[in-house]
Amino acid sequence: SYVLTQPPSLSVAPGQTARITCGGNNIGSKSVHWYQQKPGQAPVLVVYNDGDRPSGIPERFSGSNSGNTATLTISRVEAGDEADYYCQVWDRSSDHYVFGTGTKVTVL
Amino acid sequence: EVQLLESGGGLVQPGGSLRLSCAVSGFTFSSYAMSWVRQAPGKGLEWVSTISGSGKTTNYADSVEGRFTISRDDSKNTLYLQMNSLTAEDTAIYYCAKESSAYEANWFDPWGQGTLVTVSS
Repeated sequence: SYVLTQPPSLSVAPGQTARITCGGNNIGSKSVHWYQQKPGQAPVLVVYNDGDRPSGIPERFSGSNSGNTATLTISRVEAGDEADYYCQVWDRSSDHYVFGTGTKVTVL
Repeated sequence: EVQLLESGGGLVQPGGSLRLSCAVSGFTFSSYAMSWVRQAPGKGLEWVSTISGSGKTTNYADSVEGRFTISRDDSKNTLYLQMNSLTAEDTAIYYCAKESSAYEANWFDPWGQGTLVTVSS
């Protein structure tokens, strides 16, 4: 089955840039979507189709995808960005959706 | 405004059954695939099952295949998940989520608030 690997945690100072990676075999050939989940809340879509933003999501959130790594970039990090982040793809070979292992972002 | 409201969670004994419901509003239900995603306590997200907009195509995670059944009632704007032969490993918050199209290869937006299923004796 297809596996998506994320770093367990990431710490970043306010105003700096956070880059969260999502590794998978030839992930660049797939469309990657990203979710933010704050404690006690349901996940929220922040980026879809590698780099598009839903309405209401700040421009500070952006994404890229190439080769074996997709990346969610949060620019000018704010305290309110502290959350868990998950990548997600559709694995056509198994007809299954797959989530990444998740990354906890801590704002120092 | 799109809204999804799950219900039906609770405490169930190992080997037991439970049916979850997800009532939706604010969009044309039959035009979108729907999924169930779960999250065990302190763990990450795990996709459970999806059903196409027509209801004709369903898919399941290997961990629930043969035990869980997803269905939808477009007349009631409601998604269901019938869960049988439950084990402690099924303990989780179960979220329903609207997919981005009627078919496959979608993203999930939005999600419901979730319903907690606890399997314990």
